[in-house]
Amino acid sequence: DVKVTQSSRYLVKRTGEKVFLECVQDMDHENMFWYRQDPGLGLRLIYFSYDVKMKEKGDIPEGYSVSREKKERFSLILESASTNQTSMYLCASSLLLASSYEQYFGPGTRLTVT
Amino acid sequence: GQQVMQIPQYQHVQEGEDFTTYCNSSTTLSNIQWYKQRPGGHPVFLIQLVKSGEVKKQKRLTFQFGEAKKNSSLHITATQTTDVGTYFCAGGNNDMRFGAGTRLTVKP
Repeated sequence: DVKVTQSSRYLVKRTGEKVFLECVQDMDHENMFWYRQDPGLGLRLIYFSYDVKMKEKGDIPEGYSVSREKKERFSLILESASTNQTSMYLCASSLLLASSYEQYFGPGTRLTVT
Repeated sequence: GQQVMQIPQYQHVQEGEDFTTYCNSSTTLSNIQWYKQRPGGHPVFLIQLVKSGEVKKQKRLTFQFGEAKKNSSLHITATQTTDVGTYFCAGGNNDMRFGAGTRLTVKP
């Protein structure tokens, strides 16, 4: 069974703090993704990575950065958290090309920025 | 990136009624995937469609991919309370984009 884990289910941070969200997958998947989920907006892609040390911007990368130093781990960084980054953050992984293989999602991190 | 539009945003049905959600793209898609997210859960892959006009069934769920590969639908026959959740389509070519989802509630 593919397992994607995220470091926290719930997180509360203050405006201006640096926030790290960690994601680990145990199936040797090449691709990893970060999404945010907001009511009525579905899943919006923030960043994705096809390989170690490689990253690509998604549709809403502003205010975020990512790091992929190891194949199994993909980190999302909020350099200076703002209240409009309060959201559910979902990590996913898949084999090879994202368009051809299903994505496996982690349980999500609900981040509140006060 | 490309956009995938999904309607309706919400659907409330009586148990036993049918349900359909639609997904549309302005560009041709190489494939389309469907996911289900139960309340409080994370999206879980249901199926992938690749061929023009393809129809696939999973018990009471029927998935279709349009002839032009620009639209898709998910139809549930005789809904049950276990069908409650949000259904997402995701379409793409080199990269996938998710629709906004259709949230289904079922009244027993």
